[in-house]
Amino acid sequence: DVVMTQSPLSLPVTLGQPASISCRSSQSLLSSDGNTYLDWFQQRPGQSPRRLIHKVSSRDSGVPDRFSGSGSGTDFTLKISRVEAEDVGVYYCLQGTHWPPYTFGQGTKLEIK
Amino acid sequence: QVQLVESGGGVVQPGTSLRLSCVASGFTFVNYGMHWVRQAPDKGLEWVAVTSWDGSNSYYADSVRGRFAISRDNSKNTLYLQMNSLRPGDTAVYYCSNFENWGQGTLVTVSS
Repeated sequence: DVVMTQSPLSLPVTLGQPASISCRSSQSLLSSDGNTYLDWFQQRPGQSPRRLIHKVSSRDSGVPDRFSGSGSGTDFTLKISRVEAEDVGVYYCLQGTHWPPYTFGQGTKLEIK
Repeated sequence: QVQLVESGGGVVQPGTSLRLSCVASGFTFVNYGMHWVRQAPDKGLEWVAVTSWDGSNSYYADSVRGRFAISRDNSKNTLYLQMNSLRPGDTAVYYCSNFENWGQGTLVTVSS
């Protein structure tokens, strides 16, 4: 199974400052079809997960453009250009290249400093 | 708007069964493979199972294989999860999702 490792696991950020979350996979997520199936999800306190980014860097509908995804192979990053109060929550990466099983990272808890 | 509404959760004893349902609306259900994802209390997300658009292929996490069965009825836009031989470790909120959209979840508690 592909292991997804996120860092940091806790991320205190000052409002208006940037934030970055790393996600590393135990093997390359480049699929034989040329796509890389790495998604990012946000889970606000008490809410269901919400997908922010799919296939590394494609922002989902309605997601603010301060969220961006990048990376390739085994190293991926979610960046928030300027953190707002509504960004508080836990962020997860998910790989969908080598399934089953689909595997999530452990989660990164973003809080306001 | 897109909606996924789960139901069927509850408190059950170890070794018993439960069936979860998820009714989809606002998108073309038949176009999507559908998943169940669970989240134990104060823990992260764990993928449980997926079924193909027509229900002909299904795959499971090792932790539930042989005990859980995912299925769908495209005529009713409904996804199911039959859970047998439940264990305390199955206690979690269960979400149905196509990853693009998520339900609100239904809580399953397995306790004696």
